[in-house]
Amino acid sequence: KQEVTQIPAALSVPEGENLVLNCSFTDSAIYNLQWFRQDPGKGLTSLLLIQSSQREQTSGRLNASLDKSSGRSTLYIAASQPGDSATYLCAVGSNTGKLIFGQGTTLQVKP
Amino acid sequence: NAGVTQTPKFRVLKTGQSMTLLCAQDMNHEYMYWYRQDPGMGLRLIHYSVGEGTTAKGEVPDGYNVSRLKKQNFLLGLESAAPSQTSVYFCASSDVAGVTEQFFGPGTRLTVL
Repeated sequence: KQEVTQIPAALSVPEGENLVLNCSFTDSAIYNLQWFRQDPGKGLTSLLLIQSSQREQTSGRLNASLDKSSGRSTLYIAASQPGDSATYLCAVGSNTGKLIFGQGTTLQVKP
Repeated sequence: NAGVTQTPKFRVLKTGQSMTLLCAQDMNHEYMYWYRQDPGMGLRLIHYSVGEGTTAKGEVPDGYNVSRLKKQNFLLGLESAAPSQTSVYFCASSDVAGVTEQFFGPGTRLTVL
């Protein structure tokens, strides 16, 4: 059974720092991996989608990498801003589109 | 485009009551999903649909039923609500399963007393 783990559960950094969020999964037979952002009381916003054949994806200050063989993905946030404060979720996807989510990392960026 | 919308946004039920949550998407997506989010448990898939007229069970389907009579709508029903079904429910849709990203609705906060 696929299990997704995100460490750390919470992270607090000063504004301007570069940071890395980690996601690990137990079964390397995945179709894709998706990173989401969730603000308190809100829905999920898709940040990046990495196909199983890809190594990384970039969008603005965000860069996500995928290493299927080791069962790991990282989300790199450059030059963090207070507006980046949110919970970040990773999810691994199957060929039917079903997603298995991690518990999330709650990020606080202090001004 | 409105994307994925959900109604209602909030609801309080008494144990044993029934209700239906509506999800609508205007992106012509084939695939639709219902998740629940609980503290400490993360998001878990309840049911999903791979196209109009189809439904399939997810990870936690017990106590729920779904229907997809129209491509743009996916309904989640609770026939006899229980306190354990207190949760935040999210609907999502995607174009091509396993290839394109999933888009999520804003959620429905349900409390069962």
